[in-house]
Amino acid sequence: GDSVTQMEGPVTLSEEAFLTINCTYTATGYPSLFWYVQYPGEGLQLLLKATKADDKGSNKGFEATYRKETTSFHLEKGSVQVSDSAVYFCALIITSGTYKYIFGTGTRLKVLA
Amino acid sequence: DVKVTQSSRYLVKRTGEKVFLECVQDMDHENMFWYRQDPGLGLRLIYFSYDVKMKEKGDIPEGYSVSREKKERFSLILESASTNQTSMYLCASSPYDIWGSNEKLFFGSGTQLSVL
Repeated sequence: GDSVTQMEGPVTLSEEAFLTINCTYTATGYPSLFWYVQYPGEGLQLLLKATKADDKGSNKGFEATYRKETTSFHLEKGSVQVSDSAVYFCALIITSGTYKYIFGTGTRLKVLA
Repeated sequence: DVKVTQSSRYLVKRTGEKVFLECVQDMDHENMFWYRQDPGLGLRLIYFSYDVKMKEKGDIPEGYSVSREKKERFSLILESASTNQTSMYLCASSPYDIWGSNEKLFFGSGTQLSVL
């Protein structure tokens, strides 16, 4: 069935380090892909998205490229800040037959000063 | 900005109680959703609604029901709370999109429910 797999956390980095959070998916058709972020005490909010193969989503210094050949949508940031500490969720939306969001299990990022 | 408001941030209930979780959105969105969030399991869809008085089961509807009498309000009901329903509950909404491929979900801040 359709699914999203992302790397387990927690991921602990020093400030200004490079970040990669891996995400791969299994889906029929051509899903849209998303990264959501959840800051402490808050609900999820959309970080970036890509709707077709080779699209690159970007926001707040984060980037992810929709790779159809490897069914991946890895999240990257060149230099993380303490304020990036949060839980990051990879997600896809299925639109064939029924409308449904599928979320990964989330990856907690902790950035140390 | 869209605002999705959940009535309580923390809630403590006893086993067997009937529990109501309320969610209100202020942007006239057609779609509303209830998820539960558990460590290691991510977000799991309980119920969703595409319109007033309409509801559809998600992946884990057992032990829950919902009500949508008005477009802006979507209530989650635990008929008889049990300890395994202790969780973070997240409400979300989104506008109607006939293609469904570009929809962004707007989330509330969540209700942490503890059932003792």
